[in-house]
Amino acid sequence: GQSLEQPSEVTAVEGAIVQINCTYQTSGFYGLSWYQQHDGGAPTFLSYNALDGLEETGRFSSFLSRSDSYGYLLLQELQMKDSASYFCAVRPPGGGNKLTFGTGTQLKVEL
Amino acid sequence: DSGVTQTPKHLITATGQRVTLRCSPRSGDLSVYWYQQSLDQGLQFLIQYYNGEERAKGNILERFSAQQFPDLHSELNLSSLELGDSALYFCASSASGSSTGELFFGEGSRLTVL
Repeated sequence: GQSLEQPSEVTAVEGAIVQINCTYQTSGFYGLSWYQQHDGGAPTFLSYNALDGLEETGRFSSFLSRSDSYGYLLLQELQMKDSASYFCAVRPPGGGNKLTFGTGTQLKVEL
Repeated sequence: DSGVTQTPKHLITATGQRVTLRCSPRSGDLSVYWYQQSLDQGLQFLIQYYNGEERAKGNILERFSAQQFPDLHSELNLSSLELGDSALYFCASSASGSSTGELFFGEGSRLTVL
């Protein structure tokens, strides 16, 4: 089976940097993704790591370490609009797109 | 706008009833996925279809069923509804051969069972 654990809530101030962690127990996976969801709206894709290391996309970066069974999403220059839920997700071995999602982290950005 | 369309957006019904949720994937996407999100919970995979055929099944209850039609739209049927079935139901589609496996989600159907 697969389980991905995330902190339930993180709070940070506008302009700061915040890291959202994802620790997983899985027999194997193809890659780790991150999705953002505002207030029960449609989840939207943020970032993907197929390999260990850091992937940067604008203000968002994502990191994966398979040896540590760990990944994180880094959000820089936080803005109020970044207040949302963030989910990590793994692709199954073989590269299909049936994602298993983590427990989700609610990020609150304060002034 | 992801290009994935779901109807209805909201649905209120009573226990024991049956409802059908509809999803149209992005143009050109052959795969459709259904996910359930209960209040303050993560996204639970229900079922996947690819070009009309069932491809993968998650923790989908026997009271639930789905199908994908030749025009690639999909329907999720929920029957003998219980209070615990109240949730957001998301449909997503993906492109074949995507390097990132990105899922494009619809806005969801919010089901309330009273």
